[in-house]
Amino acid sequence: EPEVTQTPSHQVTQMGQEVILRCVPISNHLYFYWYRQILGQKVEFLVSFYNNEISEKSEIFDDQFSVERPDGSNFTLKIRSTKLEDSAMYFCASSWGGGPEETQYFGPGTRLLVL
Amino acid sequence: RKEVEQDPGPFNVPEGATVAFNCTYSNSASQSFFWYRQDCRKEPKLLMSVYSSGNEDGRFTAQLNRASQYISLLIRDSKLSDSATYLCVAPNQAGTALIFGKGTTLSVSS
Repeated sequence: EPEVTQTPSHQVTQMGQEVILRCVPISNHLYFYWYRQILGQKVEFLVSFYNNEISEKSEIFDDQFSVERPDGSNFTLKIRSTKLEDSAMYFCASSWGGGPEETQYFGPGTRLLVL
Repeated sequence: RKEVEQDPGPFNVPEGATVAFNCTYSNSASQSFFWYRQDCRKEPKLLMSVYSSGNEDGRFTAQLNRASQYISLLIRDSKLSDSATYLCVAPNQAGTALIFGKGTTLSVSS
């Protein structure tokens, strides 16, 4: 069964450093998403991406965040200058269509720890 | 009212028990909903979609009450492997984002 993959599984970084989280969505999916989950809290939407453009972003997704689809398979989330409060699990998701009835499939996540 | 609200539990039940989780949502225009299951430190995995009044899949039944803006998940004959956090999820109106509840934790014991 096709699945979303993410690398690395764990990332430790120093405050102020840049990190890039990588995702390979399911191959025929057209819509891509990033979510985050701070330990003990709910899953929160960050950004959705379609046709090489951001479709929607939350208030969490400020100027320090960016997304990119650098080639036909990867989808990346960059955090420019990490803060302690960026420590969280970051999930990538993808879906074939973009409507409200579409199922989003989640990757296993990258656990980011900012020291 | 918060966008998606769930009773956090935990629900501690013996094997074989029937357990029900409730969820309320604030966006009356929402047409579709999802129940995801999340194991500790793992990704959310789709359990069921709910588009009309309800959906049934084996031991799992989801029901939707649009008038009360209320969704439920019923698990019959609980198994040890059902122990997890169950996330109630509603898309935003454009379908560009999923709004998650905080989740309800279920622990099934032998």
